[in-house]
Amino acid sequence: QKEVEQNSGPLSVPEGAIASLNCTYSDRGSQSFFWYRQYSGKSPELIMFIYSNGDKEDGRFTAQLNKASQYVSLLIRDSQPSDSATYLCAVKATSGGYQKVTFGIGTKLQVIP
Amino acid sequence: NAGVTQTPKFQVLKTGQSMTLQCAQDMNHNSMYWYRQDPGMGLRLIYYSASEGTTDKGEVPNGYNVSRLNKREFSLRLESAAPSQTSVYFCASNFADRSDQPQHFGDGTRLSIL
Repeated sequence: QKEVEQNSGPLSVPEGAIASLNCTYSDRGSQSFFWYRQYSGKSPELIMFIYSNGDKEDGRFTAQLNKASQYVSLLIRDSQPSDSATYLCAVKATSGGYQKVTFGIGTKLQVIP
Repeated sequence: NAGVTQTPKFQVLKTGQSMTLQCAQDMNHNSMYWYRQDPGMGLRLIYYSASEGTTDKGEVPNGYNVSRLNKREFSLRLESAAPSQTSVYFCASNFADRSDQPQHFGDGTRLSIL
């Protein structure tokens, strides 16, 4: 079992719709959760992070965390073609005194005009 | 605001050649990382340096060595390049001891081994 799991996609949504991206993790001691966006040929860039159960909103983006169920999700409202990218889920946990970050393989999102 | 700077951006090597990928950050981060990214595999940690003077193996360290030259610089060396090391390499840095701190990535080095 992978430590951080994401569906690789592609996830296709029409322009203006809500895109829902999901991520599950195996380490119950995980403390912080990050969503990165990566355009083709570019480096990952941070979109949001969350560390408390519940929702965190930033503009069109909402991160949701449920530690009991060990999943974290990212909702993108009013999806735009410019949102088409791969979205990486990253999970941070303490391991041997070091804060280890594990990335999922990423979900490719395609927003159809 | 340079952030994390990687050099070179592109490189083509022949099997058996050696090279060093350079990474420097100007954010005063204590921790630095080297990842490789391959299609369908996601980001895989090669080596990391939790603080100046320390380095540790990650998930896929075989065939690589690293040097944390100072707080700013962390280099990755391929001693004898193999075609399996063809990949995109990313350097990242952060304050690893703070749980709310994300990693900041460089632009990547696209490496092809023939």
